[in-house]
Amino acid sequence: GAGVSQSPSNKVTEKGKDVELRCDPISGHTALYWYRQRLGQGLEFLIYFQGNSAPDKSGLPSDRFSAERTGESVSTLTIQRTQQEDSAVYLCASSLRTASNNEQFFGPGTRLTVL
Amino acid sequence: GDSVTQMEGPVTLSEEAFLTINCTYTATGYPSLFWYVQYPGEGLQLLLKATKADDKGSNKGFEATYRKETTSFHLEKGSVQVSDSAVYFCALSRGNTGKLIFGQGTTLQVKP
Repeated sequence: GAGVSQSPSNKVTEKGKDVELRCDPISGHTALYWYRQRLGQGLEFLIYFQGNSAPDKSGLPSDRFSAERTGESVSTLTIQRTQQEDSAVYLCASSLRTASNNEQFFGPGTRLTVL
Repeated sequence: GDSVTQMEGPVTLSEEAFLTINCTYTATGYPSLFWYVQYPGEGLQLLLKATKADDKGSNKGFEATYRKETTSFHLEKGSVQVSDSAVYFCALSRGNTGKLIFGQGTTLQVKP
């Protein structure tokens, strides 16, 4: 079956512009995560959605970052007034999130470059 | 807070050499531990995991044992292949969200 997909694969933007990144999770996966991977570093957790529960936003680095998810479908991560330090690969993952299976499946990522 | 530390790379080995990539963690309670791998040009994928102390995760010839006494989860493989060249990430998960906390990644290059 189809895996996690993300779009665009690459995004180049100018400092100060807003960007929107999209994630399509695996069908049936109730949990969705966003992570950020800066060059040469590990992944940083950004936000977590589980069904219709309130999201865990504890990893969002500033109020310029926001994310939405409608039900158990597509999620969008929005970065307003982008800064050069926002340049990174943004990864989305989804999971069944059951007691016996919480493996996260990752998408290919969106590489964001802020000039 | 919770954290993961793994040995810095890059690690360069000859084919059939023994591999160890060290990983230690700091966390309260009993986290689950993971190794993820990112092959060139591909997405991140789960390599192996262990959910409780003394568990051994294994896959594709790789192994790692959850050592609570040393808070470690070192990755080992007896004989590496060129196709194992990739970036390896150690990670932990704790709490009811399942969010992963990653180490900084170790690049492995295997030469023929």
